[in-house]
Amino acid sequence: DQQVKQNSPSLSVQEGRISILNCDYTNSMFDYFLWYKKYPAEGPTFLISISSIKDKNEDGRFTVFLNKSAKHLSLHIVPSQPGDSAVYFCAASEKNTGFQKLVFGTGTRLLVSP
Amino acid sequence: GAGVSQSPSNKVTEKGKDVELRCDPISGHTALYWYRQSLGQGLEFLIYFQGNSAPDKSGLPSDRFSAERTGGSVSTLTIQRTQQEDSAVYLCASSTWTGSSYGYTFGSGTRLTVV
Repeated sequence: DQQVKQNSPSLSVQEGRISILNCDYTNSMFDYFLWYKKYPAEGPTFLISISSIKDKNEDGRFTVFLNKSAKHLSLHIVPSQPGDSAVYFCAASEKNTGFQKLVFGTGTRLLVSP
Repeated sequence: GAGVSQSPSNKVTEKGKDVELRCDPISGHTALYWYRQSLGQGLEFLIYFQGNSAPDKSGLPSDRFSAERTGGSVSTLTIQRTQQEDSAVYLCASSTWTGSSYGYTFGSGTRLTVV
């Protein structure tokens, strides 16, 4: 049972345009959401997060939107740069686990072409 | 250390052999996690340590998998009688409370190939 789903395995975008990566979840107990970025042969690195009390969080070129009623979140990258080419993982956790056990999606591979 | 260190970075083993994977977390991080990523899959939770105890082992796939953590620091994940389906990248992360969330830092992983 995949509680966090990233239905697009890959996305190609031109440099300077917007990249939109999507994530859906099924567990209504999730209350904290994160995006991680992974380059080949490296561990995932934290990108941006959002709490369920918010619907938007912005950090430079990266913005995460949360739609709780639809159980959907998205990551917007504007403008996209070639260095953004990586695999992006959506992750979620629920407060009552007592610790931040993260449930990850399967990832979306983003390719930004010059 | 400055980051989470995992060794070996790559391991090829024969089916049926035992393997040990090591994780050296960031100094002072009390929480340590093991995940694995199989080909085409997301990151699958295996086990979590708080200090030396493991409150949640629910992700360990079978009793061939075990993990320990000593001195609240280094952790070892052991896979006995390895099978081909154990082939994956095994990732370790450590975390500490930032005041608003737990900041996870991942190591680069150990790529295990069972032949």
